[in-house]
Amino acid sequence: DQQVKQNSPSLSVQEGRISILNCDYTNSMFDYFLWYKKYPAEGPTFLISISSIKDKNEDGRFTVFLNKSAKHLSLHIVPSQPGDSAVYFCAASARVGSSNTGKLIFGQGTTLQVKP
Amino acid sequence: DGGITQSPKYLFRKEGQNVTLSCEQNLNHDAMYWYRQDPGQGLRLIYYSQIVNDFQKGDIAEGYSVSREKKESFPLTVTSAQKNPTAFYLCASSTRQGYEQYFGPGTRLTVT
Repeated sequence: DQQVKQNSPSLSVQEGRISILNCDYTNSMFDYFLWYKKYPAEGPTFLISISSIKDKNEDGRFTVFLNKSAKHLSLHIVPSQPGDSAVYFCAASARVGSSNTGKLIFGQGTTLQVKP
Repeated sequence: DGGITQSPKYLFRKEGQNVTLSCEQNLNHDAMYWYRQDPGQGLRLIYYSQIVNDFQKGDIAEGYSVSREKKESFPLTVTSAQKNPTAFYLCASSTRQGYEQYFGPGTRLTVT
């Protein structure tokens, strides 16, 4: 039962254009969402996050949009740079009662290639 | 400088042997986690610990064991009972109330 899904295994864009990575989830209890970036043979690094009470969060070239009614979030990278080429994972977290369980549920990842 | 270290980077073992993966953090985080990544898949949670001397099973705990005797250390043992142990193992930590987890560089375990 995949609660967090990234249906596009790969995405290729031209340098300078917009990259849009998508993520869908099924559990309405998720209240916080994160995007991680991962290079081969390295650990993921945190990129940007969004609380379920918001619909948009922006940090430089990165913007995350959340559509709770559709249970969908997306990561926009503008403009895309060759150094952005990596695997991007979305992750979701759910509170149990009043405490954060600390558990993150990850999607399968999308490999982004930005061509010069 | 602060961070999470995992050692070794690459590990090779014969089938039937137990192996322990090291994870150390100096971020003063209370919570620590172990994930496994297989090709084409996301990260799957093996075990997590939110406080010293306490830990919980994640989604794929069978064939693994952990201990949390010190705040900064969370070793993972891959036992011979784990049917498909070859994978990339990632350790992470976070504050107890924080959502963001910080990852180590990972250990690639190959069992033949």
